[in-house]
Amino acid sequence: DAGVIQSPRHEVTEMGQEVTLRCKPISGHNSLFWYRQTMMRGLELLIYFNNNVPIDDSGMPEDRFSAKMPNASFSTLKIQPSEPRDSAVYFCASSSGGSYNEQFFGPGTRLTVL
Amino acid sequence: GIQVEQSPPDLILQEGANSTLRCNFSDSVNNLQWFHQNPWGQLINLFYIPSGTKQNGRLSATTVATERYSLLYISSSQTTDSGVYFCAVGLVGTALIFGKGTTLSVSS
Repeated sequence: DAGVIQSPRHEVTEMGQEVTLRCKPISGHNSLFWYRQTMMRGLELLIYFNNNVPIDDSGMPEDRFSAKMPNASFSTLKIQPSEPRDSAVYFCASSSGGSYNEQFFGPGTRLTVL
Repeated sequence: GIQVEQSPPDLILQEGANSTLRCNFSDSVNNLQWFHQNPWGQLINLFYIPSGTKQNGRLSATTVATERYSLLYISSSQTTDSGVYFCAVGLVGTALIFGKGTTLSVSS
């Protein structure tokens, strides 16, 4: 079975540009999570969805960040405009929900904003 | 919010040695996972263990939910065990809260 798929794996962009990260969760999973990993703050939640509905976006740093889940098999995280402090590894994870809640992570997108 | 503390922060071992990593958390949880982040940055699921004991090869884990801690045991360590080990906790249906990790270096 395919795991969580993320694209691109690496992204280098210049300050001010729009960045779109993509995620395909494991088929049948109804919860999707976006996390960010930095040296300073470690791994932290940005936003998560249950059944395509955003449940908790308290981790989204500011209005420059937005996330959508138009259907059960696709989600995007957009940064517009990007800034150097957004440089990090962005992980997408999914879980089946219900009482069994193991989360499975994608390979991550390493974002560098120059 | 829930606090997660992992110890030790760093661990250096010779190949073949055993080790115990600890995770303390500040409140009741019903989701606890251990991950290994390999040198390529991938987060590998080791255990989903909100309570009880599980074993997988040279690795085993125990969570005592009533005392709010979990332990990860690595026996006969190998160089491929090197990396960062994360404990993450949460409630069913919510996001995980990660500890800062234990960085393990195994030398041959």
